[in-house]
Amino acid sequence: AQSVTQPDIHITVSEGASLELRCNYSYGATPYLFWYVQSPGQGLQLLLKYFSGDTLVQGIKGFEAEFKRSQSSFNLRKPSVHWSDAAEYFCAVGDPLGGNQGGKLIFGQGTELSVKP
Amino acid sequence: KAGVTQTPRYLIKTRGQQVTLSCSPISGHRSVSWYQQTPGQGLQFLFEYFSETQRNKGNFPGRFSGRQFSNSRSEMNVSTLELGDSALYLCASTGRGYSTDTQYFGPGTRLTVL
Repeated sequence: AQSVTQPDIHITVSEGASLELRCNYSYGATPYLFWYVQSPGQGLQLLLKYFSGDTLVQGIKGFEAEFKRSQSSFNLRKPSVHWSDAAEYFCAVGDPLGGNQGGKLIFGQGTELSVKP
Repeated sequence: KAGVTQTPRYLIKTRGQQVTLSCSPISGHRSVSWYQQTPGQGLQFLFEYFSETQRNKGNFPGRFSGRQFSNSRSEMNVSTLELGDSALYLCASTGRGYSTDTQYFGPGTRLTVL
């Protein structure tokens, strides 16, 4: 069965420091991979996604993620964190065989990011 | 373009009651998916609708149901509410409902069951 693991439940970084949020997936093939962010009281906003091609993906708000097939990972990075980045981050996989039934995403448990001034 | 809207934003119900939540997708989007978010189970897929047909369903009991109207608006219904149904219910819309489509999420409906 497909699954997504985000090993870190909560991470605290200082403003201006670099950030890496980990995501590992379990799937028979390369799934479609997504990172979403959720601010308090808000829905989820897509940061970036990977389907194929270049394994380093650029997203919004200065985020990037690298797909590593050998490690079944899709870690999210940002070189310099801003206080406004404090939120919960979710890694998700979609089924590439889902075709036109792509409405289903499987999410990790989320990583809550706190930013110290 | 207006985003995904969900009504109501907050609901308080008691055990045994039923509840209906509404989701209006982005204009032109035809696929609507529903998710339940709880601290213990995280985000879990409920079901997806496209052109008034349920195409995909998660692992939830039959008390959870949904439908989609011809204008793509969707409702989900939970009957015989249990305490464990307290959650944030999120809906998301996409244009075609393909795996490669970006899902755009609404702000959610916070359901509290007492």
